[in-house]
Amino acid sequence: SQQGEEDPQALSIQEGENATMNCSYKTSINNLQWYRQNSGRGLVHLILIRSNEREKHSGRLRVTLDTSKKSSSLLITASRAADTASYFCATGRMDSSYKLIFGSGTRLLVRP
Amino acid sequence: GAGVSQSPSNKVTEKGKDVELRCDPISGHTALYWYRQSLGQGLEFLIYFQGNSAPDKSGLPSDRFSAERTGGSVSTLTIQRTQQEDSAVYLCASGFLRDEQFFGPGTRLTVL
Repeated sequence: SQQGEEDPQALSIQEGENATMNCSYKTSINNLQWYRQNSGRGLVHLILIRSNEREKHSGRLRVTLDTSKKSSSLLITASRAADTASYFCATGRMDSSYKLIFGSGTRLLVRP
Repeated sequence: GAGVSQSPSNKVTEKGKDVELRCDPISGHTALYWYRQSLGQGLEFLIYFQGNSAPDKSGLPSDRFSAERTGGSVSTLTIQRTQQEDSAVYLCASGFLRDEQFFGPGTRLTVL
């Protein structure tokens, strides 16, 4: 069963705009990770945020985590056409955090 | 350095045949994971290997699926008597416990 659910399922924005994707999950987690996937093949790790962290930055990426609401958001600032991809959140549970549970993803299209 | 590699990149087989999918993890990574991704969906956990510990096979969908990891390195996922519903992209990842996972490019399996 899916643990993380992304919202929206699809997002289309203009180059230069910011993109925000949300992820909700159900159980207590050890960490939450965001991955990017191009063309339905291998995933690339973007950022990991642990359960005791509330916000993390990496370049143009900003991730927040609200454990009380069991939700996370990924913000991509100043988007580029190359950011076009599917983005997945994945949660590592407290009881077995090696087993990442992936959501169904957000398909982001950045129009040039 | 070299990333995770998988072979073959594409596999077309007839229903009822057995297939073997191979994963070469990043050297030194103690953890190895197999996932399955159906078209337009998130990743479904299949199996996890960590060092010399017994693997976590809880995600394998049926007894037609098996996997082994020889010498703590290369892993093979075997699907016996393939069915059409086995068609998917099979992704392998390696890493360290409770940390980011590095994914291979996947094997696209098509069962006719």
